[in-house]
Amino acid sequence: DIQMTQSPSSLSASVGDRVTITCRASQGISNSLAWYQQKPGKAPKLLLYAASRLESGVPSRFSGSGSGTDYTLTISSLQPEDFATYYCQQYYSTPLCFGQGTKLEIK
Amino acid sequence: EVQLVESGGGLVQPGGSLRLSCAASGFTVSSNYMSWVRQAPGKGLEWVSVIYSGGSTYYADSVKGRFTISRDNSKNTLYLQMNSLRAEDTAVYYCAYSSGWYPGCFDYWGQGTLVTVSS
Repeated sequence: DIQMTQSPSSLSASVGDRVTITCRASQGISNSLAWYQQKPGKAPKLLLYAASRLESGVPSRFSGSGSGTDYTLTISSLQPEDFATYYCQQYYSTPLCFGQGTKLEIK
Repeated sequence: EVQLVESGGGLVQPGGSLRLSCAASGFTVSSNYMSWVRQAPGKGLEWVSVIYSGGSTYYADSVKGRFTISRDNSKNTLYLQMNSLRAEDTAVYYCAYSSGWYPGCFDYWGQGTLVTVSS
């Protein structure tokens, strides 16, 4: 089974900051990686898929990169609505696996 | 418009059973990759089960042998039959759908239904 290790688990930042979240897979996943945003009491929302492809309607300040086992989510300039929890997820093989999550808080 | 509406959650005693439903609209459940994902209170997301368009099913080790995923094509509905429930199964359960070229990457989610296992 593929395990996903996401870091950091929490992050404090200010509006306008650039932030990066990383996700490492226990084996290569050939860019089969998605990033989700979740706000309290809501279902997750897909932000990026195939490691770097932006889901329709998602602002361009969100970007993804990586290959092999290591991937990153970058938010170029934090907006107030971006404070939420972020999860990576591999869909390369079953069982699917999510990272532990990164809670992005306002500094 | 794609919609997923879960129901069936509630309070159940340890060892009990519950069946969750996910009524879909805007697409055909039987032709697509559908999953259940859960989230324990204050915790992260955990994948539970998948049913492929061809009917193959897979489960997380934590629920294997206790949970069964199925679908009713006539009702366009996905189900999760949960037996031998344990306290650690307490969570919000989401159904999720992959509409694009990347099965397992979920672009549509239901609102979730809360399952509480407690005596």
